[in-house]
Amino acid sequence: EPEVTQTPSHQVTQMGQEVILRCVPISNHLYFYWYRQILGQKVEFLVSFYNNEISEKSEIFDDQFSVERPDGSNFTLKIRSTKLEDSAMYFCASTGTGGKNTQYFGPGTRLTVL
Amino acid sequence: RKEVEQDPGPFNVPEGATVAFNCTYSNSASQSFFWYRQDCRKEPKLLMSVYSSGNEDGRFTAQLNRASQYISLLIRDSKLSDSATYLCVVIQAGTALIFGKGTTLSVSS
Repeated sequence: EPEVTQTPSHQVTQMGQEVILRCVPISNHLYFYWYRQILGQKVEFLVSFYNNEISEKSEIFDDQFSVERPDGSNFTLKIRSTKLEDSAMYFCASTGTGGKNTQYFGPGTRLTVL
Repeated sequence: RKEVEQDPGPFNVPEGATVAFNCTYSNSASQSFFWYRQDCRKEPKLLMSVYSSGNEDGRFTAQLNRASQYISLLIRDSKLSDSATYLCVVIQAGTALIFGKGTTLSVSS
C-alpha cells in the first residue's frame, strides 16, 4: 500500500538555526499539507500546496516558514530561524483529487529546538 | 470559541463495552466531517467519514447533526486494539483539516 514518508524521524536543533523537514507524498497525489502537533495539544494545520503554489495557510505559517516541491517527489517545510516553541511533531499529508478526499499522513518528524 | 470541541476523557471501558464519543463544531459552514484515530506518538489515521444520513463501518457508527453542529461516534463490542485517541475533524472551507483535541479511550481486559 502506498504511503507518505518523512525524514528525518527526529531532528534536534539549536534555537535560531534553520531546519528542513522532508516528505515524499504518495506518488499520484496532487494536494500536499503540513500539520504540526505540540506535545499534548491538538493537530494544527499549517499550509496546503497545490499546483506548485500555496493554496491555504494558517496564522501559524508566518514568514519564518516556507514550503517547496523541489522535484517531482519531495515536499519540504523549511523553518528559517527556529524558536523553542517550534518544538513539535510535524506531519506531512497528501491527498489525490478534489482535496476533500482522505488525507494520508506520514509518520511525522519530531523537531526538538534547544 | 474553540472550533472543534471534544470531551478529552479518558474513557476507561472493559472489553465488549459500547462507548460513545461526542463532538461539536463552531462553524455552521463546515462542509466535511471525519473521525480519525491517533495512537500514542503516531500519525492520525482516518477511521471514517461522517455523512448526514449517518454511516456504519463494522462496529463503528458515526452520526452528524448539522442543525446542532454535533458529531458522534459509537463503538460497539470494544476491543483492546481500540485503545487510542479519537479525533473529531472538520473541513470548514478549502481543504484544511481542523482537528479537535481528541478523546482518549482505554479498553481493558
